Amino acid sequence: EAQVTQNPRYLITVTGKKLTVTCSQNMNHEYMSWYRQDPGLGLRQIYYSMNVEVTDKGDVPEGYKVSRKEKRNFPLILESPSPNQTSLYFCASSLNRQNQPQHFGDGTRLSIL
Amino acid sequence: AQTVTQSQPEMSVQEAETVTLSCTYDTSENNYYLFWYKQPPSRQMILVIRQEAYKQQNATENRFSVNFQKAAKSFSLKISDSQLGDTAMYFCAFMKHTNFGNEKLTFGTGTRLTIIP
Repeated sequence: EAQVTQNPRYLITVTGKKLTVTCSQNMNHEYMSWYRQDPGLGLRQIYYSMNVEVTDKGDVPEGYKVSRKEKRNFPLILESPSPNQTSLYFCASSLNRQNQPQHFGDGTRLSIL
Repeated sequence: AQTVTQSQPEMSVQEAETVTLSCTYDTSENNYYLFWYKQPPSRQMILVIRQEAYKQQNATENRFSVNFQKAAKSFSLKISDSQLGDTAMYFCAFMKHTNFGNEKLTFGTGTRLTIIP
């Protein structure tokens, strides 16, 4: 079954404690992306990757890091989380062709206290 | 930069009725793609329908259809014979065409639709 898998689904943690949200897809997609969803703001792109070892900033990259060492995985790293990063996070992937729909993971709800 | 506006934060409709969700966008691009995504209470993001800007024919997927007005930059979603399972947040999204492959989605702020039994 084609899937984008995120872990964890929920996390409550404290300010400054490094955390990683993993994202894995089994569709051999080149393009992967992270979004955050906040009430009244819709979804906004954090980082994206066009292929292995190719990453770039989206609209709201501050406070986040990513890596793309292998095609299937695209982890999101918060080196020093702060309360303003409390949000619902989505990973998405697609073939790197125009118009290809992006397949989303089930979301990760992060709460930073 | 592109912007997407959904002016209806919430809507409700009786089961089996038809409802239309509005979406307008602003762009200087001529080639682009538009999408409607559904987010039920389970939080999944589910693609409902998509439209290529170069196509004049409005896209249709079963009970879901769009009214795409390129000159007016309008992209509304019509849900016919609404069902309880249509209760969800609906997001309109824009993606510009490039020669380099995929691009980010720019989302509207969403419309929360409730289907009343």
